[in-house]
Amino acid sequence: SAVISQKPSRDICQRGTSLTIQCQVDSQVTMMFWYRQQPGQSLTLIATANQGSEATYESGFVIDKFPISRPNLTFSTLTVSNMSPEDSSIYLCSVGLQGAREQYFGPGTRLTVT
Amino acid sequence: EDKVVQSPLSLVVHEGDTVTLNCSYEVTNFRSLLWYKQEKKAPTFLFMLTSSGIEKKSGRLSSILDKKELFSILNITATQTGDSAIYLCAITGANNLFFGTGTRLTVIP
Repeated sequence: SAVISQKPSRDICQRGTSLTIQCQVDSQVTMMFWYRQQPGQSLTLIATANQGSEATYESGFVIDKFPISRPNLTFSTLTVSNMSPEDSSIYLCSVGLQGAREQYFGPGTRLTVT
Repeated sequence: EDKVVQSPLSLVVHEGDTVTLNCSYEVTNFRSLLWYKQEKKAPTFLFMLTSSGIEKKSGRLSSILDKKELFSILNITATQTGDSAIYLCAITGANNLFFGTGTRLTVIP
């Protein structure tokens, strides 16, 4: 497994602002992912964070809204840009092991947009 | 399109009961099925299943996969209040990890 930390653990933000969430892993991993879990919903994959290249976004998510950085094999950031109340969610990073057949999650960031 | 259906959606049991949670799936290029327990924010990894008929066991929890019938079950025996959580089933296929909506288990004393 892997030990994953996320910062911040929670935040309350005003609409129109942006928040950057950090994800740190205790070992080098090839695959890192960002998920969103809206209230009462299951987890939805936002994007795969690729080291040294642009992230791969899932349908319905765009880089302008959710820019992602992956400067090395242990760290990634997700920015939620120009926030609206609909962005209120838990945001989770995960790392993939065994070719991403097995994934472990960070503790999550609870974002509330007012 | 990849699909994961979990049942029941919610379940309330008494301590000491045994529960079975179900997960059926459709996926392109199946690679694995995973079970997670979600209590607060982050899902905690329970099991990864890749082969049919081989039971994975951890304490009071066990799980098995049927790749022919495309389903998996998660059993919890002698339930405790600490087992109260949402249990998520997910599959990895061609398109990374795809989650079901979960089963909310409540164990009452």
